[in-house]
Amino acid sequence: QQPVQSPQAVILREGEDAVINCSSSKALYSVHWYRQKHGEAPVFLMILLKGGEQKGHEKISASFNEKKQQSSLYLTASQLSYSGTYFCGTESEGTGANNLFFGTGTRLTVIP
Amino acid sequence: NAGVMQNPRHLVRRRGQEARLRCSPMKGHSHVYWYRQLPEEGLKFMVYLQKENIIDESGMPKERFSAEFPKEGPSILRIQQVVRGDSAAYFCASSPDSSGANVLTFGAGSRLTVL
Repeated sequence: QQPVQSPQAVILREGEDAVINCSSSKALYSVHWYRQKHGEAPVFLMILLKGGEQKGHEKISASFNEKKQQSSLYLTASQLSYSGTYFCGTESEGTGANNLFFGTGTRLTVIP
Repeated sequence: NAGVMQNPRHLVRRRGQEARLRCSPMKGHSHVYWYRQLPEEGLKFMVYLQKENIIDESGMPKERFSAEFPKEGPSILRIQQVVRGDSAAYFCASSPDSSGANVLTFGAGSRLTVL
């Protein structure tokens, strides 16, 4: 049930953009995005629900394609503070359990 | 409003000993989730509990691992007869009662080292 994320790692210079992808083999009810800095707890960024619209959070936004069971996280004009590992968590339809399965993460490094 | 509280933050055990990790969810949250994270790896789902009930334990190893969330007190993840491969960060998360998608709030994690 674990979603697949790509790329595994990306290095950006400040101000550059990045896209992180998340796909699942199961029909999804929701997709959650979290960011984890080294040695810290994952922090919630945003949630996208089935039938929902694209969401935004400052210069970080995300989309959810229900038919393709995919979500993408867009980081624009990256800042040093964006560095960390980004995880998507997926909640499958019909499980009734509401628990999230996370991808293996995408390590983002922003350099000056 | 305190967040998700986990203790201990760091725990060292010798092979064969028991490890007990505790998690107090955020106030008002009755759903608790445990995840394991190996160094440089992702978050692996272990178990999902509500008060006094295990909802999904599909990620729990079949032996040595158990979890509970009693009516009173914190959720406990128990690892018996620890082995070196159990060394990892164990994160607890909680979410409120909700019929919709639940946003998880994570604790700071408990880092287990098995010597």
